[in-house]
Amino acid sequence: NAGVIQTPRHKVTGKGQEATLWCEPISGHSAVFWYRQTIVQGLEFLTYFRNQAPIDDSGMPKERFSAQMPNQSHSTLKIQSTQPQDSAVYLCASSLGVSNERLFFGHGTKLSVL
Amino acid sequence: AQSVTQPDARVTVSEGASLQLRCKYSYSGTPYLFWYVQYPRQGLQLLLKYYSGDPVVQGVNGFEAEFIKSNSSFHLRKASVHWSDSAVYFCAVSALWYNQGKLIFGQGTKLSIKP
Repeated sequence: NAGVIQTPRHKVTGKGQEATLWCEPISGHSAVFWYRQTIVQGLEFLTYFRNQAPIDDSGMPKERFSAQMPNQSHSTLKIQSTQPQDSAVYLCASSLGVSNERLFFGHGTKLSVL
Repeated sequence: AQSVTQPDARVTVSEGASLQLRCKYSYSGTPYLFWYVQYPRQGLQLLLKYYSGDPVVQGVNGFEAEFIKSNSSFHLRKASVHWSDSAVYFCAVSALWYNQGKLIFGQGTKLSIKP
């Protein structure tokens, strides 16, 4: 079991460019979560999928951010027209999706917007 | 609104000494409470969780936490720390029955162990 796999580990983009971050959840896990980690804001919930369906995107910025889960083996977080304030570590986590279940986090993708 | 406060950004203790990392939450009902740890260059890992029952919960590597509802606290403890415990520790709360993975995290406490 390789755990939750996030690629790339580091991504550098120029202001205004698009960034796509990938997450491969643990096989058999039906729930996928995206979080963002910054020094100032700490860890913030972004969005949640269960059985590939979007359930709760209450933490997603309304503009420029989108997330998808086209199949059970991967999810993507896309940021259009990246801005310096988008610089953060983006964490993906998965769980079995039953009640009271622990989250398994990936190592994260460090996004740097120049 | 839910919130979590970890009042100590950094804590330094000597190896072999006891440890308490403080966590206070804000929520009117009974929340689901967690402690996660982030070791250097590793992903967040669950240490322990509390949902109901015995207010003292045991976790991995000798860690335990006590839920005190009257004080809205969920402090993490360890009787004797090891150098390998150096990491950042996050307290978190969840209260959504339909999305228990939606965690509200504290700002974290960076633990350093003196030899």
